Amino acid sequence: DAGVIQSPRHEVTEMGQEVTLRCKPISGHNSLFWYRQTMMRGLELLIYFNNNVPIDDSGMPEDRFSAKMPNASFSTLKIQPSEPRDSAVYFCASSSRPTGVRSPLHFGNGTRLTVT
Amino acid sequence: GQSLEQPSEVTAVEGAIVQINCTYQTSGFYGLSWYQQHDGGAPTFLSYNALDGLEETGRFSSFLSRSDSYGYLLLQELQMKDSASYFCAVMRGGATNKLIFGTGTLLAVQP
Repeated sequence: DAGVIQSPRHEVTEMGQEVTLRCKPISGHNSLFWYRQTMMRGLELLIYFNNNVPIDDSGMPEDRFSAKMPNASFSTLKIQPSEPRDSAVYFCASSSRPTGVRSPLHFGNGTRLTVT
Repeated sequence: GQSLEQPSEVTAVEGAIVQINCTYQTSGFYGLSWYQQHDGGAPTFLSYNALDGLEETGRFSSFLSRSDSYGYLLLQELQMKDSASYFCAVMRGGATNKLIFGTGTLLAVQP
């Protein structure tokens, strides 16, 4: 079991550029979650998918953020255009159950995004 | 809406016992989870309580009182490697179920 794989580990970009974060969930897990972590706001749920379908995207900050899950083994989180306030660690997590209840979330190692 | 409150920092010595409290307010409560995160690392699952009472897993135990909207994580025989942030998280039910995290408690274990 390779765990949840995220890429890149670090991303430094300039304001206004497009950023794409990638995630490969654990094989067999049918739920995928994107979280953002900052010192000020902690771990925030941005969006989650069940069986590749977005279930709740109410945590997505604004239209600059979009997420897709074209198949069971891949998801992307895109920010366009990026802004300095988007700087954070972005975590992807997967679970074998849609809510993470009794089936814990397995987190990837995160992508540390810095927007200058 | 929902809110979770945890102490921001706790300090203890090796071998001691420490309790990290979590109070919550949420609608459609399903259960309380605890996650550990070392500096620069990913959160990892520790425990889950859906019913009142104590769940024990090795040196770690977690407690839930649904009537008091309160839970805690108990760490025994503290080791230096237990220095990390600990997050409680509530599973909130409703139209779309969500796992919402608290702001975390930074535990510093001193020799």
